[in-house]
Amino acid sequence: DVVMTQSPLSLPVTLGQPASISCRSSQSLVHSDVNSYLNWFQQRPGQSPRRLIYQVSNRDSGVPDRFSGSGSGTDFTLKISRVEAEDVGVYYCMQARNWPPMYTFGQGTKLEIK
Amino acid sequence: EVQLVESGGGLVQPGGSLRLSCEASGFTFSSIWMHWVRQAPGKGLMWVARIHYDGSSTSYAESVKGRFTISRDNAKSTLYLQMSSLRADDTAIYYCARAGFDYWGQGILVTVSS
Repeated sequence: DVVMTQSPLSLPVTLGQPASISCRSSQSLVHSDVNSYLNWFQQRPGQSPRRLIYQVSNRDSGVPDRFSGSGSGTDFTLKISRVEAEDVGVYYCMQARNWPPMYTFGQGTKLEIK
Repeated sequence: EVQLVESGGGLVQPGGSLRLSCEASGFTFSSIWMHWVRQAPGKGLMWVARIHYDGSSTSYAESVKGRFTISRDNAKSTLYLQMSSLRADDTAIYYCARAGFDYWGQGILVTVSS
């Protein structure tokens, strides 16, 4: 099974400062089609998860450009260039494998304002 | 506008059964794979099950295999999760989500307790 490990698990950040979350997988996420199916989600308090980034670095519609994703193989990163108050919440990475099907989330990183 | 609305949650005794529904609108439901994901209170996200767009193929997390059944009625644009032999550790908010996890429902709470 693929294990996704995020760090840090808690991330206090000053408003306007950058933030970075690491996600490491126990196996390479490069598929036979050359793509890596690594997503990032944001879950604000009391809300459903929201996809921010898909296939490592593609930002979803409506996601501010201060969010960016990068990485390859087993190491991936979500960066927020300047944290705003609305960014408070828990961030999850997730890998997707179509066959045999497996969808694995990281433990989550709780971002709070310092 | 894409909408996913879950229903059918509630309190059930250990060993009991419950059926969740997820009514979809705003997209061609019959063309999209669908998933169920759950989140235990205060915990992270866990993928539960997925279903092919025509219902011909289903897959499950090991922890629910043999106890949960995912199904769909494309004529009603509705996704289902039949849960049986429920255990205390099945207590969670259950979300339905589209393929790719780009849209999620608001979630529905299932509590398994005597």
